[in-house]
Amino acid sequence: GAGVSQSPRYKVAKRGQDVALRCDPISGHVSLFWYQQALGQGPEFLTYFQNEAQLDKSGLPSDRFFAERPEGSVSTLKIQRTQQEDSAVYLCASSLPAGAYNEQFFGPGTRLTVL
Amino acid sequence: GENVEQHPSTLSVQEGDSAVIKCTYSDSASNYFPWYKQELGKGPQLIIDIRSNVGEKKDQRIAVTLNKTAKHFSLHITETQPEDSAVYFCAANFASGGSYIPTFGRGTSLIVHP
Repeated sequence: GAGVSQSPRYKVAKRGQDVALRCDPISGHVSLFWYQQALGQGPEFLTYFQNEAQLDKSGLPSDRFFAERPEGSVSTLKIQRTQQEDSAVYLCASSLPAGAYNEQFFGPGTRLTVL
Repeated sequence: GENVEQHPSTLSVQEGDSAVIKCTYSDSASNYFPWYKQELGKGPQLIIDIRSNVGEKKDQRIAVTLNKTAKHFSLHITETQPEDSAVYFCAANFASGGSYIPTFGRGTSLIVHP
């Protein structure tokens, strides 16, 4: 079946613009995670949903970052008033209910470049 | 929160040699340690994992060991092949707000020379 998909794959924004990044998880996966991966670094946790409920948003770096999953499937990560330090790859992952040992399946990521 | 250190940052080997990547973690409550392989332009993909009640796990050419007392775990790849070239990440799960969140190491770029 289809894996996790993300769109767009690449996004260039001017500083101050708002952007929206989309994630389509694997069908039936209850849990959805967003990560930020800076160049040469490992993914860093941003936020986590179980169905439509956002259970943990402790990793969001500022109030300019907002995520939603209104119907418990597709999720959107929105960044307002983008800054150069927001440039990174944004990864989405989904899994069955986020128990201690459930494998996360990652999408290919969206590479955001803020000029 | 959890802190995961990973070494080395770059590892270059000849085809057929073994490769070892080491990680340490800080939170003694962590109980699950996955390893991911990330190829250029793709998301990380799970290659092997180990739970805290197991000391070693093998899957063909890949093995992972865990020392809970020392809080370190390692990935071993034997008989390396050029297609093993990628960035490898270790991770340690920690409990946060009712969920389990992985903290990743900074990654090891493995280069296998034919």
